[in-house]
Amino acid sequence: DAKTTQPPSMDCAEGRAANLPCNHSTISGNEYVYWYRQIHSQGPQYIIHGLKNNETNEMASLIITEDRKSSTLILPHATLRDTAVYYCIVRVKGSARQLTFGSGTQLTVLP
Amino acid sequence: DVKVTQSSRYLVKRTGEKVFLECVQDMDHENMFWYRQDPGLGLRLIYFSYDVKMKEKGDIPEGYSVSREKKERFSLILESASTNQTSMYLCASSLPRQGAGELFFGEGSRLTVL
Repeated sequence: DAKTTQPPSMDCAEGRAANLPCNHSTISGNEYVYWYRQIHSQGPQYIIHGLKNNETNEMASLIITEDRKSSTLILPHATLRDTAVYYCIVRVKGSARQLTFGSGTQLTVLP
Repeated sequence: DVKVTQSSRYLVKRTGEKVFLECVQDMDHENMFWYRQDPGLGLRLIYFSYDVKMKEKGDIPEGYSVSREKKERFSLILESASTNQTSMYLCASSLPRQGAGELFFGEGSRLTVL
């Protein structure tokens, strides 16, 4: 599975969009980009995933560059409850072998 | 909703004790996983299983074993606990191989070994 690089921390004002970047320059053609988040003292929570098209669900949007070497998770209107560590993971869809999570990005939403 | 339940949120054990961490999922998922989480190291995969009685080593299996006797239950065993196994342990399950593959996590078990 390809490696990912994320900034260790970011701040965002409440009500504004939070844009979390992820680099995955060694991604293979059959690897998907997954995003999870972990609120303090809880288990990680799935957010969204995509292959090459942009994706949107009730939680977030995922923008993947045309060359697929990087992506951005967008929380359109961040709230204080979105304060969490966000993990970007690249893996083959349906693979039984799970990529080890990296250190992620600590997003702090400020009032 | 998918539910992954870990038997204990907090445990305190002594060095050398045998420790069992239990995990049960209620969505008939084939795949189950055990991770440990430590500050600055993210989540690291210990073992995973893609079927009953099947198991595969993850990235840090040393000092651990697992058991998957029933599809819904995946147990992590520390045969002789050591202080460096003090950590947060997270169980997860996922849809079958042909599914989307997103992981569903339990709330975690925080183990302290004295």
